Amino acid sequence: QVQLQQSGPGLVKPSQTLSLTCAISGDSVSSNSAAWNWIRQSPSRGLEWLGRTYYRSKWYNDYAVSVKSRITINPDTSKNQFSLQLNSVTPEDTAVYYCARDPGIAAPLGMDVWGQGTTVTVSS
Amino acid sequence: EIVLTQSPGTLSLSPGERATLSCRASQSVSSSYLAWYQQKPGQAPRLLIYGASSRATGIPDRFSGSGSGTDFTLTISRLEPEDFAVYYCQQYGSPSITFGQGTRLEIK
Repeated sequence: QVQLQQSGPGLVKPSQTLSLTCAISGDSVSSNSAAWNWIRQSPSRGLEWLGRTYYRSKWYNDYAVSVKSRITINPDTSKNQFSLQLNSVTPEDTAVYYCARDPGIAAPLGMDVWGQGTTVTVSS
Repeated sequence: EIVLTQSPGTLSLSPGERATLSCRASQSVSSSYLAWYQQKPGQAPRLLIYGASSRATGIPDRFSGSGSGTDFTLTISRLEPEDFAVYYCQQYGSPSITFGQGTRLEIK
């Protein structure tokens, strides 16, 4: 059974960097079929996909245009997890952040496993 | 990016009734990379349908998806009390994945 466990601070100051981690059990971040996503949800923006990382003989990342200049998603194979870094945050980045697995981006399988969500507030 | 527009915004029905939720895309969604999710308060979204019409593991057969191109539908044949929630469509056929704004299904 695949599970995703999120960790990270719930409060970040404006202009600083938001950092979250998603630990994977029951699957591998280096899977040759899955992709590992970050999504956020706020009342003003709804559900917003932020980006993903996946391994296909080498590592790839895709990022949403809205955050492309500020986001980094990194895999950590030694800990079987992946992380989100969002730089230069503003109050508009306040949201519930989720990690999620897409079991096979080469096939239309959806995002079948989600983390528990982390509420992040950007405030001084 | 592909914009998904869901309708109606809110649907008020009674248990036992049939629910029909719509999701319209601003351009064609490739290879039916269209999914539906259910979300209840304080929970993460739950995958219901992928590939426009395939039920995810453990999803009851009262949930069904249909459609292609730009028009997709989620149908719940007979509403159970636990089905009242918010439903989102998602397209994942392009490098930029997008979600609809959601349909709230409430008890009438």
